[in-house]
Amino acid sequence: KAGVTQTPRYLIKTRGQQVTLSCSPISGHRSVSWYQQTPGQGLQFLFEYFSETQRNKGNFPGRFSGRQFSNSRSEMNVSTLELGDSALYLCASSATRPSYEQYFGPGTRLTVT
Amino acid sequence: AQSVTQLDSHVSVSEGTPVLLRCNYSSSYSPSLFWYVQHPNKGLQLLLKYTSAATLVKGINGFEAEFKKSETSFHLTKPSAHMSDAAEYFCVVSDSGNTGKLIFGQGTTLQVKP
Repeated sequence: KAGVTQTPRYLIKTRGQQVTLSCSPISGHRSVSWYQQTPGQGLQFLFEYFSETQRNKGNFPGRFSGRQFSNSRSEMNVSTLELGDSALYLCASSATRPSYEQYFGPGTRLTVT
Repeated sequence: AQSVTQLDSHVSVSEGTPVLLRCNYSSSYSPSLFWYVQHPNKGLQLLLKYTSAATLVKGINGFEAEFKKSETSFHLTKPSAHMSDAAEYFCVVSDSGNTGKLIFGQGTTLQVKP
C-alpha cells in the first residue's frame, strides 16, 4: 500500500497570508491526525478527524482549522500566518478510531517570512 | 495528565556497541506506549508499540523496549548500533479517554560514530 502523502512538501509564505496543506491517508484508513513540529515546542497535536468530523482538537488558536472529505483526505488551513507558525506539519493516519498506531507522512515544511 | 520524559537529549555510541535510549512516562491509567524514529527531513516511522500484552516488545531493525510499570519506564535498546540508526527518537504515550491523541517526548538524538 502507498503510505501517507502530503502536499506540498515545502512552502514559503509571508506573514498575514493563509495556507492550505493537504494529506492523503493510507488507503482504507479513516482517521487523520495533524501535528506541528518545531524545535522549541517539539511535536504537538493539532486535531483529529474521523468520518469527516473533527473528534479532538489540541491547544491551538482558531487560526488553525481543518476538514476531512468523504474519501478521508484531509486539509488543514492556517489563516493570518505568523512567524511562529513556521514548522514541519505532519499528518498521520490510522485504520480505526481510537487507534494509537498512527502512520505518518513526510510532512510539509512551512516557512513564514 | 499523561506525559513522557526522555532522559537524554543526545546519545552518542560507536558502531557495533549497544544502544540505550531512556524514557519515563506518567499516566493515570494503563497506557499505550510507542517509540518512533525520525531521520533527517523525513516523517516519523513507528519502531514498536506496547499495548498491555507482553512487557518486552520487539520492533523493527533490531530494536526492542521493556515496559516496567514499577519504574514507569519504557527504555529502548538495541544490541549493536549501525550507522543507519543515527536519527531522532521519540518516546510517545497515548492520551487518556480514547482520544487517539499521541503525546510526544522531546526526543533523543542518536549519534553513531564509525
